[in-house]
Amino acid sequence: GQSLEQPSEVTAVEGAIVQINCTYQTSGFYGLSWYQQHDGGAPTFLSYNALDGLEETGRFSSFLSRSDSYGYLLLQELQMKDSASYFCADTGGGNKLTFGTGTQLKVEL
Amino acid sequence: NAGVTQTPKFQVLKTGQSMTLQCAQDMNHEYMSWYRQDPGMGLRLIHYSVGAGITDQGEVPNGYNVSRSTTEDFPLRLLSAAPSQTSVYFCASSYSIIGVTDRPNTEAFFGQGTRLTVV
Repeated sequence: GQSLEQPSEVTAVEGAIVQINCTYQTSGFYGLSWYQQHDGGAPTFLSYNALDGLEETGRFSSFLSRSDSYGYLLLQELQMKDSASYFCADTGGGNKLTFGTGTQLKVEL
Repeated sequence: NAGVTQTPKFQVLKTGQSMTLQCAQDMNHEYMSWYRQDPGMGLRLIHYSVGAGITDQGEVPNGYNVSRSTTEDFPLRLLSAAPSQTSVYFCASSYSIIGVTDRPNTEAFFGQGTRLTVV
Protein backbone atom coordinates (compact mmCIF):
# COMPACT_ATOMS: atom_id res chain seq x y z
CA GLY A 1 0.00 0.00 0.00
CA GLN A 2 0.87 3.64 -0.08
CA SER A 3 0.83 6.07 2.80
CA LEU A 4 2.01 9.62 3.34
CA GLU A 5 2.01 10.92 6.89
CA GLN A 6 1.86 14.57 7.94
CA PRO A 7 1.27 16.35 11.24
CA SER A 8 -2.42 17.09 11.60
CA GLU A 9 -2.04 20.68 12.73
CA VAL A 10 0.63 23.36 12.92
CA THR A 11 0.28 26.84 14.44
CA ALA A 12 2.62 29.77 13.78
CA VAL A 13 2.61 33.55 14.05
CA GLU A 14 2.46 36.01 11.19
CA GLY A 15 5.90 36.74 9.76
CA ALA A 16 7.42 33.52 11.05
CA ILE A 17 8.79 30.49 9.17
CA VAL A 18 7.03 27.13 9.37
CA GLN A 19 7.99 23.68 8.12
CA ILE A 20 5.43 20.98 7.30
CA ASN A 21 6.88 17.49 7.13
CA CYS A 22 5.82 14.52 5.04
CA THR A 23 7.08 10.97 5.38
CA TYR A 24 6.04 8.39 2.85
CA GLN A 25 5.91 4.67 2.21
CA THR A 26 4.97 4.09 -1.38
CA SER A 27 5.81 1.77 -4.22
CA GLY A 28 6.73 3.17 -7.59
CA PHE A 29 7.46 6.63 -6.20
CA TYR A 30 7.99 9.30 -8.87
CA GLY A 31 8.09 12.58 -7.00
CA LEU A 32 6.50 14.66 -4.26
CA SER A 33 3.97 17.40 -4.87
CA TRP A 34 2.48 19.93 -2.46
CA TYR A 35 -1.03 21.38 -2.66
CA GLN A 36 -2.78 24.10 -0.69
CA GLN A 37 -6.49 23.99 0.07
CA HIS A 38 -8.47 26.75 1.73
CA ASP A 39 -11.69 25.81 3.51
CA GLY A 40 -14.37 24.99 0.96
CA GLY A 41 -12.01 25.45 -1.94
CA ALA A 42 -10.20 23.37 -4.51
CA PRO A 43 -6.63 22.18 -4.00
CA THR A 44 -4.09 24.35 -5.80
CA PHE A 45 -0.60 23.31 -6.82
CA LEU A 46 2.36 24.76 -4.90
CA SER A 47 5.48 22.78 -5.70
CA TYR A 48 6.93 19.55 -7.04
CA ASN A 49 10.20 17.75 -6.33
CA ALA A 50 11.27 15.17 -8.88
CA LEU A 51 14.84 15.03 -7.58
CA ASP A 52 16.47 15.26 -4.15
CA GLY A 53 17.10 18.76 -2.91
CA LEU A 54 15.40 22.07 -2.48
CA GLU A 55 12.98 23.79 -4.86
CA GLU A 56 12.20 27.45 -4.20
CA THR A 57 9.18 29.39 -5.42
CA GLY A 58 8.83 32.79 -3.82
CA ARG A 59 7.94 32.40 -0.14
CA PHE A 60 7.52 28.64 -0.52
CA SER A 61 10.26 26.03 -0.70
CA SER A 62 10.00 22.28 -0.86
CA PHE A 63 12.58 19.63 -0.09
CA LEU A 64 12.87 15.93 -0.94
CA SER A 65 15.17 13.17 0.29
CA ARG A 66 14.44 9.89 -1.47
CA SER A 67 16.91 7.96 0.68
CA ASP A 68 14.97 9.02 3.79
CA SER A 69 11.49 8.84 2.18
CA TYR A 70 10.95 12.32 3.52
CA GLY A 71 10.06 15.76 2.32
CA TYR A 72 8.93 19.08 3.69
CA LEU A 73 7.28 22.32 2.69
CA LEU A 74 8.78 25.51 4.07
CA LEU A 75 6.71 28.67 4.23
CA GLN A 76 8.50 31.92 4.97
CA GLU A 77 7.18 35.34 5.97
CA LEU A 78 3.88 33.83 6.97
CA GLN A 79 0.73 35.77 6.18
CA MET A 80 -2.79 35.34 7.49
CA LYS A 81 -3.89 34.18 4.04
CA ASP A 82 -1.55 31.19 4.37
CA SER A 83 -3.99 29.66 6.88
CA ALA A 84 -5.15 26.59 4.99
CA SER A 85 -4.66 22.85 4.71
CA TYR A 86 -1.51 21.58 3.03
CA PHE A 87 -1.19 18.18 1.41
CA CYS A 88 1.82 16.33 0.17
CA ALA A 89 1.16 13.88 -2.65
CA ASP A 90 3.05 11.08 -4.33
CA THR A 91 2.93 11.79 -8.03
CA GLY A 92 2.67 8.38 -9.60
CA GLY A 93 3.04 7.43 -13.23
CA GLY A 94 0.59 9.31 -15.41
CA ASN A 95 0.25 11.99 -12.74
CA LYS A 96 -1.81 9.74 -10.49
CA LEU A 97 -1.77 11.50 -7.13
CA THR A 98 -1.83 9.77 -3.76
CA PHE A 99 -2.44 12.39 -1.10
CA GLY A 100 -1.12 12.58 2.41
CA THR A 101 -3.25 13.00 5.49
CA GLY A 102 -3.04 16.79 5.35
CA THR A 103 -1.80 19.49 7.74
CA GLN A 104 -3.98 22.34 8.87
CA LEU A 105 -1.89 25.48 9.25
CA LYS A 106 -3.17 28.23 11.50
CA VAL A 107 -1.45 31.59 11.28
CA GLU A 108 -1.98 33.85 14.28
CA LEU A 109 -1.27 37.54 14.83
CA ASN B 1 -9.59 29.38 -20.60
CA ALA B 2 -12.12 28.22 -18.04
CA GLY B 3 -9.81 25.49 -16.68
CA VAL B 4 -11.68 22.59 -15.06
CA THR B 5 -15.43 23.01 -14.73
CA GLN B 6 -17.57 20.80 -12.51
CA THR B 7 -21.35 20.69 -12.32
CA PRO B 8 -23.40 20.71 -10.21
CA LYS B 9 -21.80 22.48 -7.24
CA PHE B 10 -24.29 21.01 -4.75
CA GLN B 11 -26.53 17.97 -4.93
CA VAL B 12 -28.80 16.06 -2.56
CA LEU B 13 -29.78 12.53 -3.51
CA LYS B 14 -31.98 9.90 -1.96
CA THR B 15 -30.52 6.47 -1.30
CA GLY B 16 -30.76 4.37 -4.44
CA GLN B 17 -30.93 7.25 -6.89
CA SER B 18 -28.39 7.57 -9.68
CA MET B 19 -26.76 10.66 -11.07
CA THR B 20 -23.85 11.91 -13.14
CA LEU B 21 -21.30 14.48 -12.00
CA GLN B 22 -19.98 16.42 -14.97
CA CYS B 23 -16.38 17.48 -15.51
CA ALA B 24 -14.95 19.35 -18.47
CA GLN B 25 -11.52 20.87 -19.15
CA ASP B 26 -10.40 23.15 -21.96
CA MET B 27 -6.63 22.80 -21.57
CA ASN B 28 -6.26 19.77 -23.87
CA HIS B 29 -4.93 17.71 -20.97
CA GLU B 30 -4.57 13.98 -21.54
CA TYR B 31 -4.92 12.99 -17.91
CA MET B 32 -8.15 13.38 -15.93
CA SER B 33 -9.18 11.98 -12.58
CA TRP B 34 -11.88 11.99 -9.92
CA TYR B 35 -11.22 12.25 -6.19
CA ARG B 36 -13.42 12.27 -3.14
CA GLN B 37 -12.65 14.13 0.05
CA ASP B 38 -14.26 13.26 3.33
CA PRO B 39 -14.19 15.62 6.34
CA GLY B 40 -10.71 16.14 7.75
CA MET B 41 -9.13 13.80 5.25
CA GLY B 42 -7.02 13.92 2.16
CA LEU B 43 -8.29 13.24 -1.33
CA ARG B 44 -8.71 9.65 -2.46
CA LEU B 45 -8.58 8.63 -6.11
CA ILE B 46 -11.78 7.07 -7.49
CA HIS B 47 -11.09 6.64 -11.21
CA TYR B 48 -8.67 8.10 -13.70
CA SER B 49 -8.09 8.31 -17.43
CA VAL B 50 -4.85 8.74 -19.37
CA GLY B 51 -6.63 9.64 -22.60
CA ALA B 52 -9.85 9.34 -24.56
CA GLY B 53 -11.18 5.80 -24.47
CA ILE B 54 -8.92 4.72 -21.58
CA THR B 55 -10.02 4.56 -17.96
CA ASP B 56 -8.82 2.72 -14.86
CA GLN B 57 -9.71 2.30 -11.22
CA GLY B 58 -8.17 4.18 -8.38
CA GLU B 59 -8.20 3.51 -4.66
CA VAL B 60 -11.98 3.68 -4.03
CA PRO B 61 -13.83 2.78 -7.27
CA ASN B 62 -16.78 0.78 -5.91
CA GLY B 63 -20.17 2.32 -6.68
CA TYR B 64 -18.84 4.61 -9.41
CA ASN B 65 -18.49 4.37 -13.18
CA VAL B 66 -16.62 6.59 -15.62
CA SER B 67 -16.16 6.93 -19.36
CA ARG B 68 -13.94 9.14 -21.50
CA SER B 69 -15.35 9.57 -24.98
CA THR B 70 -13.60 12.91 -25.61
CA THR B 71 -10.42 14.58 -24.36
CA GLU B 72 -12.47 17.36 -22.76
CA ASP B 73 -15.09 15.45 -20.73
CA PHE B 74 -14.85 12.93 -17.92
CA PRO B 75 -18.21 12.29 -16.22
CA LEU B 76 -18.56 10.32 -12.99
CA ARG B 77 -21.67 8.20 -12.54
CA LEU B 78 -23.10 7.09 -9.23
CA LEU B 79 -25.04 3.94 -9.98
CA SER B 80 -27.14 3.62 -6.82
CA ALA B 81 -26.34 6.30 -4.27
CA ALA B 82 -25.58 5.31 -0.68
CA PRO B 83 -25.07 7.49 2.42
CA SER B 84 -21.41 6.40 2.45
CA GLN B 85 -20.99 8.34 -0.80
CA THR B 86 -21.74 11.63 0.93
CA SER B 87 -18.59 13.58 0.23
CA VAL B 88 -17.01 16.39 -1.75
CA TYR B 89 -15.97 15.29 -5.22
CA PHE B 90 -13.15 16.91 -7.15
CA CYS B 91 -12.25 16.45 -10.77
CA ALA B 92 -8.69 17.18 -11.85
CA SER B 93 -6.71 17.30 -15.08
CA SER B 94 -3.03 17.43 -15.95
CA TYR B 95 -0.53 16.56 -18.66
CA SER B 96 0.21 12.86 -18.76
CA ILE B 97 3.86 12.44 -17.96
CA ILE B 98 5.54 9.22 -16.97
CA GLY B 99 8.80 9.32 -15.08
CA VAL B 100 10.87 12.10 -13.67
CA THR B 101 10.12 15.41 -15.26
CA ASP B 102 10.09 19.09 -14.51
CA ARG B 103 7.54 20.87 -12.41
CA PRO B 104 5.19 22.56 -14.89
CA ASN B 105 4.08 19.30 -16.47
CA THR B 106 3.12 17.66 -13.21
CA GLU B 107 0.69 20.28 -11.96
CA ALA B 108 -2.87 19.04 -11.50
CA PHE B 109 -5.69 21.54 -11.98
CA PHE B 110 -8.77 20.95 -9.87
CA GLY B 111 -12.38 21.91 -10.38
CA GLN B 112 -14.26 23.73 -7.63
CA GLY B 113 -15.87 20.55 -6.34
CA THR B 114 -19.32 19.00 -6.05
CA ARG B 115 -20.76 18.71 -2.58
CA LEU B 116 -22.94 15.61 -2.55
CA THR B 117 -25.26 14.55 0.25
CA VAL B 118 -27.04 11.20 0.14
CA VAL B 119 -29.97 10.87 2.54
